Amino acid sequence: GAGVSQSPSNKVTEKGKDVELRCDPISGHTALYWYRQSLGQGLEFLIYFQGNSAPDKSGLPSDRFSAERTGGSVSTLTIQRTQQEDSAVYLCASSLGTTPLHFGNGTRLTVT
Amino acid sequence: DAKTTQPNSMESNEEEPVHLPCNHSTISGTDYIHWYRQLPSQGPEYVIHGLTSNVNNRMASLAIAEDRKSSTLILHRATLRDAAVYYCILRGLLTTSGTYKYIFGTGTRLKVLA
Repeated sequence: GAGVSQSPSNKVTEKGKDVELRCDPISGHTALYWYRQSLGQGLEFLIYFQGNSAPDKSGLPSDRFSAERTGGSVSTLTIQRTQQEDSAVYLCASSLGTTPLHFGNGTRLTVT
Repeated sequence: DAKTTQPNSMESNEEEPVHLPCNHSTISGTDYIHWYRQLPSQGPEYVIHGLTSNVNNRMASLAIAEDRKSSTLILHRATLRDAAVYYCILRGLLTTSGTYKYIFGTGTRLKVLA
């Protein structure tokens, strides 16, 4: 595709429910990042995938958060038992080697 | 991870140049300086990057201090469409684990006045 695609663009869920957020990176990009942006804040690093290497999960805030990347392409970020503090915009980015990051427009998650 | 420091906000008049500063006193010799900007309701977009020498592209110029402890993003003629949050980030060399970790701060919110 032309750019990084994220779905859904908006998600409203009840506290305690699980949610899955999807990221389709640019074709051929080997690196994929997830970030979280709370209202009025900067970007918080969550997780990074690079090719077939083990992902860098050092930014995941709790064990309720997990992510996978199937076939080196599409990635899914899963949040279990959502809490109100999980409300934020979740951004995905991809890159190839040392090229700049290309971001999607994010998924706005609201936990009620 | 090396940190950057930027002013929270700046204002500029339309059609005038804007100089957005960034301090990175703990930068290492192999860290690249990257700038991204985030328009309202969008993901960040790449602006420019450099290592030691000043850089120019169609969007902006990057001036890097001789000691590399600071840099300045220059928008030569600000337009209303340049109103955004500008992030200055340090990106290190690829580690043995294959990780580039781009650490974003809170950036500088640029307001452009008509």
